[in-house]
Amino acid sequence: GESVGLHLPTLSVQEGDNSIINCAYSNSASDYFIWYKQESGKGPQFIIDIRSNMDKRQGQRVTVLLNKTVKHLSLQIAATQPGDSAVYFCAEISSGSARQLTFGSGTQLTVLP
Amino acid sequence: GAVVSQHPSRVICKSGTSVKIECRSLDFQATTMFWYRQFPKQSLMLMATSNEGSKATYEQGVEKDKFLINHASLTLSTLTVTSAHPEDSSFYICSARDVAGGFTDTQYFGPGTRLTVL
Repeated sequence: GESVGLHLPTLSVQEGDNSIINCAYSNSASDYFIWYKQESGKGPQFIIDIRSNMDKRQGQRVTVLLNKTVKHLSLQIAATQPGDSAVYFCAEISSGSARQLTFGSGTQLTVLP
Repeated sequence: GAVVSQHPSRVICKSGTSVKIECRSLDFQATTMFWYRQFPKQSLMLMATSNEGSKATYEQGVEKDKFLINHASLTLSTLTVTSAHPEDSSFYICSARDVAGGFTDTQYFGPGTRLTVL
């Protein structure tokens, strides 16, 4: 079936370095993608989103890149800080009336001092 | 920004009892709320879509008679886990979709409810 998956379950980066978290999706009908951050014991927190008619979107210290040709999504975090340590999920919404979110498996980002 | 609350944040109950979890949108109205379940070190799995004033839509494999959902107002949805068993122990998270504005995809998530069934 359709799924949203992540390439790496864990990622460790040095404080101050840039982080790149990748996500592959298989549903070509997806038209909206979101990155969420989830800290332990908390609900998901919206980071940034992108629609399928865009290739790149930038926020504060974060950038999302969308490559529809290879169905790939990435989240780039600039100057990673200890507070960025969390699990990051990509999620997709497919075109259609239901507009339900489908979450990927998640990547645990650990920022090393 | 839009805030979604859940109550309780943690609950421990005995096997066989029922537990009700509330999800409230505090500063916006939500015709649609979603209930998710998350097991340790796993992703969020959609359980059901809750629509104000109508029956919830359950995902495949989710027992509607066990997980009762009521969305009686535009700011409140409840999930009742009936006859809870240890395998129902999980992190339950709700989200709400804001009806205002033309862009309706944004879901705001609650902080989650940790259910432990003894």
